[in-house]
Amino acid sequence: QAVLTQPSSLSASAGASVSLTCTLRSDINVGTWIYWYQQKPGSPPQYLLRYKSDSDKQQGSGVPSRFSGSKDASANAGILLISGLQSEDEADYYCLIWHISAWVFGGGTKLTVL
Amino acid sequence: QLQLQESGPGLVKPSETLSLTCTVSGGSIYRSIYYWGWIRQPPGKGLEWIGTIYYSGSTNYNPSLKSRVTISIDTSKNQFSVNLNSVTAADTAVYYCARHEAAAGGGYYGMDVWGQGTTVTVSS
Repeated sequence: QAVLTQPSSLSASAGASVSLTCTLRSDINVGTWIYWYQQKPGSPPQYLLRYKSDSDKQQGSGVPSRFSGSKDASANAGILLISGLQSEDEADYYCLIWHISAWVFGGGTKLTVL
Repeated sequence: QLQLQESGPGLVKPSETLSLTCTVSGGSIYRSIYYWGWIRQPPGKGLEWIGTIYYSGSTNYNPSLKSRVTISIDTSKNQFSVNLNSVTAADTAVYYCARHEAAAGGGYYGMDVWGQGTTVTVSS
C-alpha cells in the first residue's frame, strides 16, 4: 500500500468549495506535518501551505486564504480545502510528508474546474 | 527574491552519469536556516524526492536512489549539485532544485521555493 494516496482526479464547479484528500497509510500517524503543492502544466510545483494542526500551520507566501488545510483523523487523511473555486485553480495537486527519514509525495490529484 | 536555476546536459547516454547544478541567486546558500534539495518528475508522472543537502555538507537521500546519488554543495559559488550514476531510460525526467526551511527544533520543512526545472533525457 502506498504511503500517501490521493484520488487521481476530481472536478468541481467554479465558485464551489472542494476538498482534496491525502490519505496516509494506516501505520502512519496523521499528526505529522502535511504539505500541499499546486502544479500547472509546464510549470514547477508551487508551495501552497503546510498543516499540522489548527494552531500549527503555515500559508505559503502570496497564497490566497481560500486555500486552507485541515485533517480528518478518523480517515487518517490530510485535506486541502479550496473555497470559491476559480478557473485558474485547475491544476495538479500534490501532498507531501516526511516519513522515516525520507520525503514522500502523494501521486497527485488532477483538479478540473467546470 | 531568492531564485533557483537548474543547469546541465539535456541528454545523457544510458549507463553514464547525470550531473546537474542548481545556482542560487538573491540569497546566500551558506545559511543555517535553509537546506537544499533535488526532486524529479518523469514525463506525465508524479514527483519524486531525490535528496537534500545542508550547507555543512550533510545529506539525506531517497532510499530507492541512495546507491546511485551524490549531492554536493559549493558555497563559494552559491551552487549545489546532483550526480546520478548508471542512468537508464527510467531516469528521464524534469529535475527540479528547491529550498527547504530549517525547523527550529531540528530537521527541516518541505520544499517552499522551486527552480523552473530542467529536462533530462536518457537515450543513446
